[in-house]
Order: sequence, then C-alpha cells, then structure tokens
Amino acid sequence: ETGVTQSPTHLIKTRGQQVTLRCSSQSGHNTVSWYQQALGQGPQFIFQYYREEENGRGNFPPRFSGLQFPNYSSELNVNALELDDSALYLCASSGRQGAVADTQYFGPGTRLTVL
Amino acid sequence: AQKITQTQPGMFVQEKEAVTLDCTYDTSDPSYGLFWYKQPSSGEMIFLIYQGSYDQQNATEGRYSLNFQKARKSANLVISASQLGDSAMYFCAMRENYNAGGTSYGKLTFGQGTILTVHP
Repeated sequence: ETGVTQSPTHLIKTRGQQVTLRCSSQSGHNTVSWYQQALGQGPQFIFQYYREEENGRGNFPPRFSGLQFPNYSSELNVNALELDDSALYLCASSGRQGAVADTQYFGPGTRLTVL
Repeated sequence: AQKITQTQPGMFVQEKEAVTLDCTYDTSDPSYGLFWYKQPSSGEMIFLIYQGSYDQQNATEGRYSLNFQKARKSANLVISASQLGDSAMYFCAMRENYNAGGTSYGKLTFGQGTILTVHP
C-alpha cells in the first residue's frame, strides 16, 4: 500500500509569484485535505476535495485554490504569494468521507519559503 | 474559545517511564472524533490513535492509550515505556462534520502541540 506523497519537498519563491504543490493520495482514498502549518503552530485547514469537487474550505483567501484529479491526486495553487505564506503545507488523504472516524493520513509536507 | 487546547508547551520524561500529554476540547456537536498525531522534526504528521465521541472504552494502540473523559471534555494521550524515538511534537486534533452548500465535510482542528523530550 503506497502512502501519501507530496512534491516538491522544498520550494523557494519570491513575493508575488505563483506556486503549485502536488499530492498523491494513499491507495483507496478518495478525499484529500490541505493544511498550512506555520512555524511553531498547529496545522490550519485550507480546503478539502472529494471526488474532484471542493466540498469544504477554511478561512483562506481565494488566491488559495486547488484541484483533484480522477485518480484522486490533488494540487494546491497559491497566487500572488505573500511573505506570510511561508509555511509547511501538508496534504492528507482519507477514505471514509463523512464519518467522524475518517482518519486522515498525512504526507511528508512541502516547505515553502517566500522571500 | 479554542476548540483544542494543549496546555503543556513542553514535557520531559525519562526513557522507559510513562508520560501523559494533556488535551481538552470544546464542541457542542454530539458526534466528533479525537485524534493524536506525532510530528518528528522531519515534518510528517504520523497518526497515533483515534477516539470516537460515542466510544464507551478508551482507545489503545500498542504503547499509546487515550484517557477519554467526555464530561470533562478531555482526551489525554498516555505513552507507556517511553523510547528515545518518541521525542517529537505531539498534536491533539478534533474532527467535526460541517455542512456547506448541501455537502458535508470533515476537517481536523489542531491544538498548538506539545514538544516531548525523552531523556536516556
């Protein structure tokens, strides 16, 4: 069984640029959630994709957008990067959407630095 | 009010001893799930244990157990026989289901975390 993978591992961008982060979900999982983790903080929910549709969103501006593909992999796009976007971006996949017991399994994360 | 509160920024334990990491939560939803994750310095969030709000018994997974006190809204993680490899950040998280535009989704709300250091 393949776990959740993310790419790239690290990324350095400048303010105003755009970035795309990628996530491959665990085998058999159809839901992908994205989280932003600032240094020294707990992860914050960005949004969730289920069967290629965004079905939930946290308190993040529209310049954070995403996609989910038929194979359930996902992308997170961030436009007009700001310095505060520097963080660890975590992707999590799960397979029992709608159940409170739906365990989310996380990837290794992408560390984004905005200069 | 904070949904998840972890009051211990850092904890120290001697190798082979047990340690309890505290977590309190706040929700009015009768159906929710509580999770603990371990995050080593590498950054990956590793799932440890789950407790459902309707579960009658405390969850256990190997050396990890969850002391669930529903009336007090606490879900403390107990690690028995600590090992050096247990040194990491530990997060408590709660999952609730939300409805938006006719669909439901679940998100995890995390606490601030507790850094555990295991001494030899």
